[in-house]
Amino acid sequence: QTVVTQEPSFSVSPGGTVTLTCGLSSGSVSTSYHPSWYQQTPGQAPRTLIYTTNTRSSGVPDRFSGSILGNKAALTITGAQAEDDSDYYCMLYMGSGTNWVFGGGTKLTVL
Amino acid sequence: EVQLVESGGGLVQPGGSLRLSCAASGFTFSGWWMTWVRQAPGKGLEWVANIKDDGSEKNYVDSVKGRFTISRDNAKNSLYLQMNSLRAEDTAVYYCAKDYYGPHHWGQGTLVTVSS
Repeated sequence: QTVVTQEPSFSVSPGGTVTLTCGLSSGSVSTSYHPSWYQQTPGQAPRTLIYTTNTRSSGVPDRFSGSILGNKAALTITGAQAEDDSDYYCMLYMGSGTNWVFGGGTKLTVL
Repeated sequence: EVQLVESGGGLVQPGGSLRLSCAASGFTFSGWWMTWVRQAPGKGLEWVANIKDDGSEKNYVDSVKGRFTISRDNAKNSLYLQMNSLRAEDTAVYYCAKDYYGPHHWGQGTLVTVSS
């Protein structure tokens, strides 16, 4: 069974740039997987940041961007702010039947 | 504004059943796929099931196949998740979401606890 992989944790300084990635235990991520990214703070529902690789959801600041980097999907935060300190999840479309699979999440610390 | 409000969570014994509901407003419910996602305490997100706009297609994660049933009533703008043969590992916050290339707009969730 293919697993969606993410870095367990990452840290970035305020104002800095960070790239989180989303890969597969077997194979490469492409736009065909329709990668999406979600932000979640403790006790809150997830918030959709990016869908279909690089489309920002309504109201999401433009410091968040999505792309394919090499064989992985990527979420880049340019000019990180304190309020970006959150958990980030990617999700990939694995085809009919299995449908959508989340990665294990990345805990991002801004300090 | 899209609003999704889940209800029906609570404490249930292993082997028991529970039916979750999600009341939708602010969009044309009958025109969209809908999804259930869950999150066990302290764990990550898990996609559970989705249903086509007209209810003609349903998909499930392997761990709930044969136990959970997703359904909808477009006349009532409501989404449901019937959960049978519940296990301790089904304990989670259950979120309903409006689909657009995956869950897009999210409700606030309802907690299901399976314990004796």
